[in-house]
Amino acid sequence: GIQVEQSPPDLILQEGANSTLRCNFSDSVNNLQWFHQNPWGQLINLFYIPSGTKQNGRLSATTVATERYSLLYISSSQTTDSGVYFCAVAGKDNFNKFYFGSGTKLNVKP
Amino acid sequence: GAVVSQHPSWVICKSGTSVKIECRSLDFQATTMFWYRQFPKQSLMLMATSNEGSKATYEQGVEKDKFLINHASLTLSTLTVTSAHPEDSSFYICSARDPGRGNTIYFGEGSWLTVV
Repeated sequence: GIQVEQSPPDLILQEGANSTLRCNFSDSVNNLQWFHQNPWGQLINLFYIPSGTKQNGRLSATTVATERYSLLYISSSQTTDSGVYFCAVAGKDNFNKFYFGSGTKLNVKP
Repeated sequence: GAVVSQHPSWVICKSGTSVKIECRSLDFQATTMFWYRQFPKQSLMLMATSNEGSKATYEQGVEKDKFLINHASLTLSTLTVTSAHPEDSSFYICSARDPGRGNTIYFGEGSWLTVV
């Protein structure tokens, strides 16, 4: 399967700070999504972004497919942003079958 | 609102018993659903692909006789953990693709299983 590496593994921010999370993947992908897992375990879909750039409020994401990485930007962080952020990719052979990174655990302090 | 729903959200069962978890696509038909497992503080690992009307495809290392998957309709897949043991305690989560919403995958809310 596709190897997915996320960095940093842990991140502590002061409320209001900005951050960038990175996702590297080992092969060409047809599907890439960013998720936020809340303390109850629920996965919230943030972006479907196999390529290009998207923005949604304080969050934005960029995927450079040719260089096999994606970035998730969080601006003006809030305590409610805390949780684990996962990057998941699916290869060209089966774009439904996700491989997850190990996640970035974000803790935003007031 | 949720487009993929799991039930139950929490379940506690005794060792040796079986427990069933349901995954439903609420407003679309899903020919394929996926089951994942997540151990505490770890990432999600794909267990199997559930195919409507046919046998599930299991990932390497997953016991198909222990984790029974049935996809009897286009909106429902079930995962049955048979003869559960404490090491089966985990967070189980399913996903499905909605053809009407492009290639976006939606995940269920997950099910916490504790075997005592």
